[in-house]
This record gives sequence, C-alpha cells and structure tokens, in this order.
Amino acid sequence: FVLTQPPSVSGSPGKTITISCTRSSGSIGRNFVQWYQQRPGSAPTTLIFEDKRRPSGVPDRFSGSVDTSSNSASLSISGLEAEDEADYYCQSYHDDSWVLGGGTRLTVL
Amino acid sequence: QVQLVQSGAEVKNPGSSLRVSCRASGVSFRDDRFHWVRQAPRQGLEWMGRIIPALGSAGYAQKFKDKVTISADESIQTVYLDLSSLTSDDTAVYFCARGDGFDNWGPGTRVTISS
Repeated sequence: FVLTQPPSVSGSPGKTITISCTRSSGSIGRNFVQWYQQRPGSAPTTLIFEDKRRPSGVPDRFSGSVDTSSNSASLSISGLEAEDEADYYCQSYHDDSWVLGGGTRLTVL
Repeated sequence: QVQLVQSGAEVKNPGSSLRVSCRASGVSFRDDRFHWVRQAPRQGLEWMGRIIPALGSAGYAQKFKDKVTISADESIQTVYLDLSSLTSDDTAVYFCARGDGFDNWGPGTRVTISS
C-alpha cells in the first residue's frame, strides 16, 4: 500500500494546521500510524505513535487522529511556532512491510 | 536510555561494496526489531528492510532486495547494512531505527558514491 501526503502546507504563527496521510489500500485502522518530524540536516524524531500517543517531551500542541471513513490519518499542530518549520512523515506497516509517506514540508509564514 | 550509534560517513567508488553499522544500547537487543531507512538527496524517507536479531532473518522492501543485506551481531548489539554494486543512485543518508514504530532513530550515515 501507499501512504499519500500533501507535498506542502503552510500556516501563520499561532494558527493550527493539519497534515493528512491517506492509505491507498487496506483499512487505515488495521495498523497503527506514526508521525515523525525531520528538521534539515537532522534525523527524524517521533511525534506521534500508535495513532495518537505522544512520546514524553513532545508538546500537546501536536496531536494525531485516524478517520476510517476517509481511510486517512492526520497530524494537527496548534499554536504554530517558527521552530515547527520542518518536514513531516507518516508511517504504518502491514504484513512485515513498513511504509512511509512521501513527506510534507511545513512552512511557517 | 535508548541510543543508536551509527558508523561514520563514507565515500566509495562505483562498483564497490559498503557496510554501515548501528550499535544499540539501552534496549532488549535480541528481541527488538531494527530497520534501515534511506534518504536520497532532497528526497523523502524510504524503508529498506528490517531484522529481529533473535530470529536472525531479515525482510526487505522489494525495491532493495537485490541491493542490500541486513544482519546483526548480538554479542556487540550491532546491526549492519551491507550495500553491494554501488552506483551514484546509492548516494544517500542511511538511518537505522528501532521498533515497529521507529521509536528511536540513529543520527544517520552519509554515503557518497563518486569516482
């Protein structure tokens, strides 16, 4: 299966943005979805695991959800800050195969 | 805490082979699952394959089946990524990651293929 993300999103400081991740086949609810943030020149870090859980240290401005009706997962970032400008990737797996979305570049205006 | 330490940057000639390593600490190494992820210049992340050290067997993304071999050495808690018949297309940063959710990531190893 393929996970499709929008190539880019943008938002102003203090606003809320949402990044979608649509699964091409099989139910989005079948396997957990994770989200990663990657700043330029750095390794990715986990923002959301198991659809909506946050690792310790990740602010609650970041939240994850799954919508089976649209077969997609979403990452929302509220109270946008300049430091949120980065690339974001979703990930899921099925049958011993892992898939990453193509990535979304977030620009904070 | 969990730490994944990767080997240093490499510059290799086309046609050669390469081994990248990832040493883990703070984990239950043999029962965990370790992955390799590639990021070509200005591109996204691609899952290459995984290994569970306790089982010894690796699984690969179809795209990389003929290019890579993943192995592990439990005695030194290290996983390896072997890349063969290198071409310029293999120029990338290679990350190791731990767990089904890629809970922890190594810092990446930059590989440059150039004559």
